[in-house]
Amino acid sequence: LAKTTQPISMDSYEGQEVNITCSHNNIATNDYITWYQQFPSQGPRFIIQGYKTKVTNEVASLFIPADRKSSTLSLPRVSLSDTAVYYCLVGDSGGSYIPTFGRGTSLIVHP
Amino acid sequence: DTAVSQTPKYLVTQMGNDKSIKCEQNLGHDTMYWYKQDSKKFLKIMFSYNNKELIINETVPNRFSPKSPDKAHLNLHINSLELGDSAVYFCASSETGGRRNTEAFFGQGTRLTVV
Repeated sequence: LAKTTQPISMDSYEGQEVNITCSHNNIATNDYITWYQQFPSQGPRFIIQGYKTKVTNEVASLFIPADRKSSTLSLPRVSLSDTAVYYCLVGDSGGSYIPTFGRGTSLIVHP
Repeated sequence: DTAVSQTPKYLVTQMGNDKSIKCEQNLGHDTMYWYKQDSKKFLKIMFSYNNKELIINETVPNRFSPKSPDKAHLNLHINSLELGDSAVYFCASSETGGRRNTEAFFGQGTRLTVV
């Protein structure tokens, strides 16, 4: 099974760039890497997805090294509203797809 | 229109009761999921249905039974509720349940409290 490891928590300040790294040593060849954001009392929300190298959208960037055993979610110039839990998700390598979430990283953005 | 909607949003019930949580998605997706999020915020998949067929059934007690009358609905029925069932249950859907990790859309969650 593809397992992910993330830092449990991170702190930042408004206007800073935040990088959250996720380890997924057992990622399968066909698996994509997806990041979700979850605010309190809400369901997770898709942020970004990638397979290799770099992906950028209006919210974040995702950096994936050549070996794909880790990925880094980059949030530029965070604001207070970016305070949330961020989950790294990879597909299961066992044959059938199981969307397995990591423990999540609780990001707190301070004024 | 809410893409993935769950009802009820809050559910308080006594031990031993039977309850159901309903989920509907209007995205035309063919895969739906149920997740359980405990007090430590660990989000764990329980079931997945693809076109009304069960494709994932993680290790959950038999007291939990998903029902999919059509591909837009995936309801969760829980028998003989226990204190440990207290959690937030999330329904989600995605376009495909295949290997590609496509975007999943989540409902707002149902906070179940067993007393």
